[in-house]
Amino acid sequence: QVQLQESGPGLVKPSGTLSLTCAVSGGSISSSNWWSWVRQPPGKGLEWIGEIYHSGSTNYNPSLKSRVTISVDKSKNQFSLKLSSVTAADTAVYYCARAIHCTNGVCSSYWYFDLWGRGTLVTVSS
Amino acid sequence: DIVMTQTPLSLSVTPGQPASISCKSSQSLLHSDGKTYLYWYLQKPGQSPQLLIYEVSNRFSGVPDRFSGSGSGTDFTLKISRVEAEDVGVYYCMQSIQPYTFGQGTKLEIK
Repeated sequence: QVQLQESGPGLVKPSGTLSLTCAVSGGSISSSNWWSWVRQPPGKGLEWIGEIYHSGSTNYNPSLKSRVTISVDKSKNQFSLKLSSVTAADTAVYYCARAIHCTNGVCSSYWYFDLWGRGTLVTVSS
Repeated sequence: DIVMTQTPLSLSVTPGQPASISCKSSQSLLHSDGKTYLYWYLQKPGQSPQLLIYEVSNRFSGVPDRFSGSGSGTDFTLKISRVEAEDVGVYYCMQSIQPYTFGQGTKLEIK
């Protein structure tokens, strides 16, 4: 059974860079899935940050694109998030998630999240 | 970006009674392939979101049949036929036409 586990510093200073890793266990990151980062500020809703395919192809949320880099390390079966120039507004629980587009043998044009990590809280503060 | 708007933002339901949540998108989610890319998630307290419904009306694996989804174009509804205590949490609709966007969430509590 595939599981996702986020890891990284829980505290980042303003203007610094937030760095997180999502380890994929029980399956291969090279499977036919996109791998995403989603965040949730305390008490608020969900915001998609960006995604990566095992080939290295990426898509980012335009609202964060200038500050986000997502990379993949197939040898370690993990993918990573870097968010630069952080402010207090970037304080959130960060989730990694797997996106699929086929269910019960039927495939679709667009993808959706079927599996999430437990999330990790990152606080931006001096 | 496509804006997703949910109503109500909160509801309190007696166990065994039905519940309904509405989600409206700022653009049609109907694709030229004939499918509509609208999803429902439940985030139970202290947990990560879990998929309930995909492509408007398809229950995901393991989701009880008391959950159902309906709608078309820009207007969608999630219904719970008989609310149980384990259904508490925040429900989100999501569209998957890039970039992904979510509704604000609807908090369900038990009376």
